[in-house]
Amino acid sequence: EVQLVESGGGLVQPGGSLRLSCAASGFTFSNSAMTWVRQAPGKGLEWVSDISGSGAKIYYADSVKGRFTISRDNSKNSLYLQMNSLRAEDTAVYYCTKGWLQLNFWGQGTLITVSS
Amino acid sequence: QSVLTQPPSVSAAPGQKVTISCSGSNSNIGNNFVSWYQQFPGTAPRIVIYDNNKRPSGIADRFSGSKSGTSATLAITGLQTGDEAEYYCGAWDDSLSGKYVFGTGTKVTVL
Repeated sequence: EVQLVESGGGLVQPGGSLRLSCAASGFTFSNSAMTWVRQAPGKGLEWVSDISGSGAKIYYADSVKGRFTISRDNSKNSLYLQMNSLRAEDTAVYYCTKGWLQLNFWGQGTLITVSS
Repeated sequence: QSVLTQPPSVSAAPGQKVTISCSGSNSNIGNNFVSWYQQFPGTAPRIVIYDNNKRPSGIADRFSGSKSGTSATLAITGLQTGDEAEYYCGAWDDSLSGKYVFGTGTKVTVL
């Protein structure tokens, strides 16, 4: 059974940093592209970033480019999102998802609140 | 911010059919596969259609997808109260540096 479990969410001040983690199990992690998607309170889905299975290909949304960094550790079956220079508009539930052209499985999400 | 356009809401009585449209452009729907996601309040989305018209294991055959040109459609037949949820389309967009784009979302209400 595929499982994706996010962690690292919480309250952070504007300009601060946070690192999200996603522990994956139930599939061959190194063979799968992974994607972060976020959803602001009461809003729709917004794609944030994705990374190929090897980590060689990475894409970012314009809204986070230069501030967020996606990475993975295939030896630990883990996906990460380093978020710097956080803004109020980054407040959202962040989902770890399996896939790239189609997002086959989703974690339960972790809430990031950027507020002073 | 959403690149793909969906109607805000659709509704029908139990047992009836609803269709949800998703309008895009050549750089996304026109050139790439479309997926559809279902989201209940307070929960994570799940995929119900991928590659335009394929259903993942466990998704009822009451859900079907189609694509024509730069538009896609999700149809739900034999509508049930358990289908009441928000639905999003999604597709890769080849423009500029590449990105995944979602639709604006459609709330399905069972009357």
